[in-house]
Amino acid sequence: DIQMTQSPSSLSASVGDRVTITCRASQSISIYLNWYQQKVGKAPKLLIYAASSLQDGVPSRFTGSGSATDFTLTISSLQPEDFATYYCQQSYSAPGTFGQGTKLEIK
Amino acid sequence: EVQLVESGGGLVQPGGSLRLSCAASRFTFSSYWMTWVRQAPGKGLEWVANIKYDGSDKYYVDSVKGRFTISRDNAEKSLYLQMNSLRAEDTAVYYCARACHDYYDTNGYSHWGQGTLVTVSS
Repeated sequence: DIQMTQSPSSLSASVGDRVTITCRASQSISIYLNWYQQKVGKAPKLLIYAASSLQDGVPSRFTGSGSATDFTLTISSLQPEDFATYYCQQSYSAPGTFGQGTKLEIK
Repeated sequence: EVQLVESGGGLVQPGGSLRLSCAASRFTFSSYWMTWVRQAPGKGLEWVANIKYDGSDKYYVDSVKGRFTISRDNAEKSLYLQMNSLRAEDTAVYYCARACHDYYDTNGYSHWGQGTLVTVSS
């Protein structure tokens, strides 16, 4: 199975900051990498699919990049509603493994 | 608005069985891959199993192979997860999720149910 490793595991930032979360795959997954946001007690929300495609309705401050084994999610200017946990997920091969998550907290 | 509603969760003893259901509406169910994802209390997301839009292909994470069976009924617009030989480590909220685009399973999951809690304990 493909292992997905996110860093950092947690991150403190302020409203208006630019933040970057990284995700590394244990083997090449081309661009089959998705990013989700999850708030406490809620189902995950798809933000980015295919490494860099913005899901409908997601604000443009979210951008994804990368290919092969290294990927990033960037939030250009943090808003109060962005404080949540973020997960990457590979959809290159089953099982579609998730990263361990990055908890984004208010500084 | 796409809707996914899970049911069937509850408290079960170790070694017991449960069948989860996910009722889908407001989209062409028979055109989408469907997936079960679980989340243990306070933990991250774990992909469990998925099934092709026509039911012809199914995949499982190693930890549930031989114990869980995913299935679907396209006429009833429903997804199922039969869980046997349950263990304490299967305790989690189970979500059903729909693929982002029809006929493909490579672009993530754009729609999720609210989840149903399965607790395995004596």
